[in-house]
Amino acid sequence: DTGVSQNPRHKITKRGQNVTFRCDPISEHNRLYWYRQTLGQGPEFLTYFQNEAQLEKSRLLSDRFSAERPKGSFSTLEIQRTEQGDSAMYLCASSPWGGVDTEAFFGQGTRLTVV
Amino acid sequence: QQQVKQSPQSLIVQKGGISIINCAYENTAFDYFPWYQQFPGKGPALLIAIRPDVSEKKEGRFTISFNKSAKQFSLHIMDSQPGDSATYFCAAGPSGAGSYQLTFGKGTKLSVIP
Repeated sequence: DTGVSQNPRHKITKRGQNVTFRCDPISEHNRLYWYRQTLGQGPEFLTYFQNEAQLEKSRLLSDRFSAERPKGSFSTLEIQRTEQGDSAMYLCASSPWGGVDTEAFFGQGTRLTVV
Repeated sequence: QQQVKQSPQSLIVQKGGISIINCAYENTAFDYFPWYQQFPGKGPALLIAIRPDVSEKKEGRFTISFNKSAKQFSLHIMDSQPGDSATYFCAAGPSGAGSYQLTFGKGTKLSVIP
């Protein structure tokens, strides 16, 4: 499968624990995005990488959230001291070089449940 | 304002009918308007997209109509089929360098009944 791969697919964690998600973009896609989607809502932009550089961050990305993309390949999204409000689907997308109208391909997401 | 407002929240259409979903935006810097289709348990997938230099774009049974002055755009699904049953999201992206984020609407759950 050459699509965007996200792991794990599901994560249940206790409030206060740290969690880390991984995203493997489509090979040679230099742009990578993280979005968050809560039930009944559209995806909300969190952050964007161009290669290994994090170029854009939403105000939704509080200081408990950190994202990295070492070497411009896979990316990780870490949430520290999780809260119940962090429960959501975390979506990763990637796109090749181009303008904002270059198609972004989404992964299937990681569903986080904080209990 | 970055908001994109989408309606209706849910839609039931008979097989063969026309499904119409509407979106409105506020930020005049938006100049890319894609529609995404999402099935349960899957990530969104690009369906069709338009830029404001055209008022309509058609791809198969899917058509986007765009009204720049009203800051509105809509998705029409002709000859709707049960396989079209999914959640549809409109989105908008800004012009200019430095920003690649899409702002999504809240989604429309479409059910096409036989």
